[in-house]
Amino acid sequence: GENVEQHPSTLSVQEGDSAVIKCTYSDSASNYFPWYKQELGKRPQLIIDIRSNVGEKKDQRIAVTLNKTAKHFSLHITETQPEDSAVYFCAAKHNFNKFYFGSGTKLNVKP
Amino acid sequence: DTAVSQTPKYLVTQMGNDKSIKCEQNLGHDTMYWYKQDSKKFLKIMFSYNNKELIINETVPNRFSPKSPDKAHLNLHINSLELGDSAVYFCASTQGQEQYFGPGTRLTVT
Repeated sequence: GENVEQHPSTLSVQEGDSAVIKCTYSDSASNYFPWYKQELGKRPQLIIDIRSNVGEKKDQRIAVTLNKTAKHFSLHITETQPEDSAVYFCAAKHNFNKFYFGSGTKLNVKP
Repeated sequence: DTAVSQTPKYLVTQMGNDKSIKCEQNLGHDTMYWYKQDSKKFLKIMFSYNNKELIINETVPNRFSPKSPDKAHLNLHINSLELGDSAVYFCASTQGQEQYFGPGTRLTVT
């Protein structure tokens, strides 16, 4: 099966700084890599995703990069704001629509 | 947004009881899931159904039984509840790639 590792588990940045969260996966058959943001007491919400045939994708202040050879992908948030504070999960989609999640990163953006 | 909905939102019950959680999606998706999120926030897949057929069944105690009466609904019945079942249970659905989560059901077993 697939194994997704996520680092760091907690990340504290100053407002305006950038934040980077990294994930690795083990199975080269995984082909879709979403990122979710979960605010306290809320559901995980898809914020950006990348498919295995793409190396980078950007949406305003959020970008995701994928290195298929090294089997790692990263979430980049620029110009962080206090409302970016949440837990972020990476995931890898494998066969039979099975999603494997990382263990989460708690991001704290200090005003 | 009510694309994926769950009831109830909160469930407090005693050990040994049997309870059910219901999930409905109006997105027309073929695949639905149940996830368990424990106190450390780890999201663990439990079950997945595709067009009413069970396709993923992780190592979950057989006290947990999913049921999909139709493509838009996936319910979770739990027998003989234990303290360790306390968690937030999320339903989700997907069509192709993107997965959407329900609001979660916080289950507390006392």
